[in-house]
Amino acid sequence: DAMVIQNPRYQVTQFGKPVTLSCSQTLNHNVMYWYQQKSSQAPKLLFHYYDKDFNNEADTPDNFQSRRPNTSFCFLDIRSPGLGDAAMYLCATSRSHYTDTQYFGPGTRLTVL
Amino acid sequence: GENVEQHPSTLSVQEGDSAVIKCTYSDSASNYFPWYKQELGKRPQLIIDIRSNVGEKKDQRIAVTLNKTAKHFSLHITETQPEDSAVYFCAASGTGTASKLTFGTGTRLQVTL
Repeated sequence: DAMVIQNPRYQVTQFGKPVTLSCSQTLNHNVMYWYQQKSSQAPKLLFHYYDKDFNNEADTPDNFQSRRPNTSFCFLDIRSPGLGDAAMYLCATSRSHYTDTQYFGPGTRLTVL
Repeated sequence: GENVEQHPSTLSVQEGDSAVIKCTYSDSASNYFPWYKQELGKRPQLIIDIRSNVGEKKDQRIAVTLNKTAKHFSLHITETQPEDSAVYFCAASGTGTASKLTFGTGTRLQVTL
């Protein structure tokens, strides 16, 4: 009965080698979010989709892109991962906007060698 | 933008004692205040939330209070148990597309036997 699913759970990539993380949801929620969380820190919002409407945070590096081909799926593309991009990447969903409960996926732990 | 401060950063209590974590926010327009619990290596999980039209909310051993005038809200855990050990994040958000969920810096709670 998983509601927000992320694949893979662990991803190892090489410096500069593109990587794609995926998120899917069974909640039929309108909004999907991508957060980056580094050790002992709060989740940091990278961007979100409200339906097909993409909203980028001002301080999200250009190296990070996202796609949402349909309601259920959302992808995070890191075009040229650097050592500083090693982190946990969390996907979350909410029914509507920020004042609705956000449900987090289990996360993908990214390691950059 | 919104700024959320959270204290303390670490908290150690004995099993059975109460724990209190406090957060302050800066944007008086914020009206939604969730609390997330994150165990090591796992996803943040919503444990309780409160909206600005309510001053207090309780769910078994967990309660949250909100003081809109002072712009602060607190998490209270009574009769703490070892399984309450985790990092707790408060957050705040307002309405509108310009709003986002802003997290506090987290509190590491350790419940000792």
